[in-house]
Amino acid sequence: QVRLVQSGPEVRKPGASVRVSCKTSGYTFTGYYVHWVRQAPGQGLEWMGWINPNSGATKYAVKFQGRVTVTRDTSMRTAYMELRRLTSDDTAVYYCTRDRTPSWFDPWGQGTLVTVSS
Amino acid sequence: LMLTQPHSVSGSPGKTVTISCTGSGGNIVSNFVQWYQQRPGSVPTTVIHEDIKRPSGVPDRFSGSIDSSSNSASLTISGLTTEDEADYYCQSSDNHYQVFGGGTKLTVL
Repeated sequence: QVRLVQSGPEVRKPGASVRVSCKTSGYTFTGYYVHWVRQAPGQGLEWMGWINPNSGATKYAVKFQGRVTVTRDTSMRTAYMELRRLTSDDTAVYYCTRDRTPSWFDPWGQGTLVTVSS
Repeated sequence: LMLTQPHSVSGSPGKTVTISCTGSGGNIVSNFVQWYQQRPGSVPTTVIHEDIKRPSGVPDRFSGSIDSSSNSASLTISGLTTEDEADYYCQSSDNHYQVFGGGTKLTVL
């Protein structure tokens, strides 16, 4: 069974950074891209970026370039998303999801709520 | 590429609704379109992938289509039930960037 299990909720102050982890199981980790998607309260889904776990190559949405870094640890079968210089607008649920190709996101992690508040 | 969806649609139980997803700034037929259902408080799940394919477990009341003439994709749900009440998002890619539509809230009256 393919599973993506994310780390728990986080609270940060404005200007801080947060790192969310996404531990995978049930499939060959290096065989599928992992994407990060976020959803602000009451808002829609917003794509942030992907990582190729095999090569480590990444691509980020223009909006987040310079502020987000996605990495992976192949030995741990885990992907990570770090977002820096947080503001209240970054308060959202952050999801990781596997790309079954072509660009079909399935399944999704359970989501991680990141709250940015002073 | 930007994907535009109606903010909301509604239908009565047993009826049929169609949710559109119109592409701009790019050709929607160049890459596959997926549709995700998200019930309140839940994780998105796929109802249509690769334009027209249904994952196992998704009832055949859900169908997808592409119209190249209008550069749009559509999700049609027939035989509406109250369980279909949810937000629906279209998604596609453009030069390795991923794009979501703004989402459509389906209300089953």
